[in-house]
Amino acid sequence: DSGVTQTPKHLITATGQRVTLRCSPRSGDLSVYWYQQSLDQGLQFLIQYYNGEERAKGNILERFSAQQFPDLHSELNLSSLELGDSALYFCASSVLAGISTDTQYFGPGTRLTVL
Amino acid sequence: DAKTTQPPSMDCAEGRAANLPCNHSTISGNEYVYWYRQIHSQGPQYIIHGLKNNETNEMASLIITEDRKSSTLILPHATLRDTAVYYCIVRPRGGAGSYQLTFGKGTKLSVIP
Repeated sequence: DSGVTQTPKHLITATGQRVTLRCSPRSGDLSVYWYQQSLDQGLQFLIQYYNGEERAKGNILERFSAQQFPDLHSELNLSSLELGDSALYFCASSVLAGISTDTQYFGPGTRLTVL
Repeated sequence: DAKTTQPPSMDCAEGRAANLPCNHSTISGNEYVYWYRQIHSQGPQYIIHGLKNNETNEMASLIITEDRKSSTLILPHATLRDTAVYYCIVRPRGGAGSYQLTFGKGTKLSVIP
């Protein structure tokens, strides 16, 4: 158990809908990262927040957005869903802002299925 | 461009040492080598990281060659629960690219009874 929690575990929805994935970081961690893992693209970094502010962006679609709240939990919002958005979504957390000695610990993931 | 090269799959007998190689011939002096593994569809699990010295923790040992162009992750006594995909990741010390982990395809390790 990494100490990172994600809800829900599974989510099934229809194309065009909007969903929200939630992540609670490990106690004391200030950074939250979101990753997407699909069959054809592998594990890809989406976005990082540090202490409430966006710090780095990866291959995140404009239909996707995230935020980190004052209690440091984070939400990833996915809108206008398409079949290709079906994937595992992982949240990770780390203590600092993301320097290379700052280890990221991953949650169990949310499996999103878009029908 | 891929920064690391790993064999797509390996087998290891249960109880034996598993040696997973990684080639990172273009690594620069300020880049760390990280290893993660992913068991089935669970979240990636941190194993170990290093810069140039060999490292050991309760899970594994990391051997980095003197020229830093390759490394080997060693699981000293593999068990069936070590069956997973193992990712070798090169990560800059700071600046752009240091925030995220860039995963390749990894090595699928199968531990055989």
